[in-house]
Amino acid sequence: AQRVTQPEKLLSVFKGAPVELKCNYSYSGSPELFWYVQYSRQRLQLLLRHISRESIKGFTADLNKGETSFHLKKPFAQEEDSAMYYCALSGSAGKSTFGDGTTLTVKP
Amino acid sequence: GAGVSQSPRYKVAKRGQDVALRCDPISGHVSLFWYQQALGQGPEFLTYFQNEAQLDKSGLPSDRFFAERPEGSVSTLKIQRTQQEDSAVYLCASSFTGVSEAFFGQGTRLTVV
Repeated sequence: AQRVTQPEKLLSVFKGAPVELKCNYSYSGSPELFWYVQYSRQRLQLLLRHISRESIKGFTADLNKGETSFHLKKPFAQEEDSAMYYCALSGSAGKSTFGDGTTLTVKP
Repeated sequence: GAGVSQSPRYKVAKRGQDVALRCDPISGHVSLFWYQQALGQGPEFLTYFQNEAQLDKSGLPSDRFFAERPEGSVSTLKIQRTQQEDSAVYLCASSFTGVSEAFFGQGTRLTVV
């Protein structure tokens, strides 16, 4: 079974501080991991996926198969990063499993 | 259109009423997904289409839920005899293939009273 856990419902940091949003998963095969973001009053959109190994808006995420984690990190948070973040796993074509999300608030 | 379009944006239904939710995917996208998102939770998979074929409907919670995509483009999610527990945001997403980036619609917020 596929499962994604985001242990923090809420995360608050000050502008300029580092931020890490945690994501742990369980899946027996080779997963494909994603981070989605939803800004206020906007639709859910893809932030990054592990296979592309990109840095988007300063965010990075490394897949750690040993710890079954895919934490999202940014060294210096900005106020515009305030949003809801969802970690998701796709184990086979078509079916993605999402975590329950973390609301990130970046305070000025 | 520029993105995935869902209608209506909001729907209030009396318990026992049937509802139909529409999704217009991005033109040319082969894959289409429906998700249900309850308050405070992440999206939960309902069903998946590749063109007009429904390849996975394992997430549909009961036989009151039915989805179709007859011409491989527009999809409709139908809920019969709505119950209060059906109240949620229903999200539609489409992608060029089943494993490429999924683009989400803004969702339909269904409230059953």
